[in-house]
Amino acid sequence: DIQMTQSPSSLSASVGDRVTITCRASQDISHYLAWYQQKPGKVPKLLIYAVSTLQSGVPSRFSGSGSGTDFTLTISSLQPEDVATYYCLKYGDVPFTFGPGTKVDVK
Amino acid sequence: EVQLVESGGGLIQPGGSLRLSCAVSGFTVSSNYMTWVRQAPGKGLEWVSIIYRGGARYYADPVKGRFTISRDTSENTVHLQMNSLRAEDTAVYYCARAGINVWDNWIDFWGQGILVTVSS
Repeated sequence: DIQMTQSPSSLSASVGDRVTITCRASQDISHYLAWYQQKPGKVPKLLIYAVSTLQSGVPSRFSGSGSGTDFTLTISSLQPEDVATYYCLKYGDVPFTFGPGTKVDVK
Repeated sequence: EVQLVESGGGLIQPGGSLRLSCAVSGFTVSSNYMTWVRQAPGKGLEWVSIIYRGGARYYADPVKGRFTISRDTSENTVHLQMNSLRAEDTAVYYCARAGINVWDNWIDFWGQGILVTVSS
């Protein structure tokens, strides 16, 4: 099965900072990569699918890139409401696999 | 409006069984891939099971042989039958939609989640 890793596991940044989260697959997963935001006590929310397609209604400060095994979620200008844990998801063939998550805090 | 509403959770003893239900509105379960994802307290997201439009069913290794996913098209509902429950199955269980084919099956809509606690 394909394993997904994320780095860093947590980060703290200032409002307005550019934040980058990395997700790595143990094998080539083509474009079958999505990103989710989960705020404390809340349901996960889809941000990006197919590596770089922004889900409707998601602010444009969120972007995704990558291919094959290495992927990136970027928040271009961190906002206080972006405090959350971010997960990548490998979909397509089963099993689906989530990354372990990256917790983002605001300094 | 799309809504997924889980029910059937609660406290159950180890070795016991529980059946979760997910009532769906806003789309037809038989025309979509439907999946269950769980989250143990303080932990990350873990994929559990999926049922394809054609009826094929798949499971994560930790639940294979113990959990069964099914759907009721007349009720537009998805179920997760959980048998031989273990303490490590304690989690919030989310019902979710996962697209309409294997090339576009990212998870887009989620239920609010239901807590299952396995403890004596």
